Amino acid sequence: GDSVTQMEGPVTLSEEAFLTINCTYTATGYPSLFWYVQYPGEGLQLLLKATKADDKGSNKGFEATYRKETTSFHLEKGSVQVSDSAVYFCALKVANFGNEKLTFGTGTRLTIIP
Amino acid sequence: DGGITQSPKYLFRKEGQNVTLSCEQNLNHDAMYWYRQDPGQGLRLIYYSQIVNDFQKGDIAEGYSVSREKKESFPLTVTSAQKNPTAFYLCASTTVPGVLGPGYTFGSGTRLTVV
Repeated sequence: GDSVTQMEGPVTLSEEAFLTINCTYTATGYPSLFWYVQYPGEGLQLLLKATKADDKGSNKGFEATYRKETTSFHLEKGSVQVSDSAVYFCALKVANFGNEKLTFGTGTRLTIIP
Repeated sequence: DGGITQSPKYLFRKEGQNVTLSCEQNLNHDAMYWYRQDPGQGLRLIYYSQIVNDFQKGDIAEGYSVSREKKESFPLTVTSAQKNPTAFYLCASTTVPGVLGPGYTFGSGTRLTVV
């Protein structure tokens, strides 16, 4: 079946540090890939997405590249801020009319200290 | 503004009671989903519905029930058969087909606690 594996947290970084959160996947078809962010007490918000190999999704300084050869979609940011503290979820969706659903990783909690 | 509204934000249930969580969307999305979130386990799919009057079990449907009588609404009932219902419940929606593009829009969640 389809699955997503994220690096375990929590991750604690100092402000302005470089961030990488690893995400790898297995899929029975050709997936679309997503990163979602969840702030405390809230639902999930779509951060970025990529729909085909070598696509790069980007938003708010975050980037992730769809790597089919390594089945990865690692999230990166060059200089994190305290406001980036949240839980980040990697997810995939495989094309399957009538049975389409997102599969999530377990989430990575990120804390940025001033 | 379009979005998904979940209510209530906090809900307390006594042992043996059924409770219903509300999810309403005004995005004209065809598909709706219910996820359960527990610490350290990410999101697990409970039920989903691609069209009105039809729904499918997800990975952890036991002890839950849903209905989809209107496109805008997808309520979730947590029954007394659900042995460990304390969790954060998230509702989501998306367009169908949206196979290679849109992600989901999520509500702000309902935190259910058994007392």
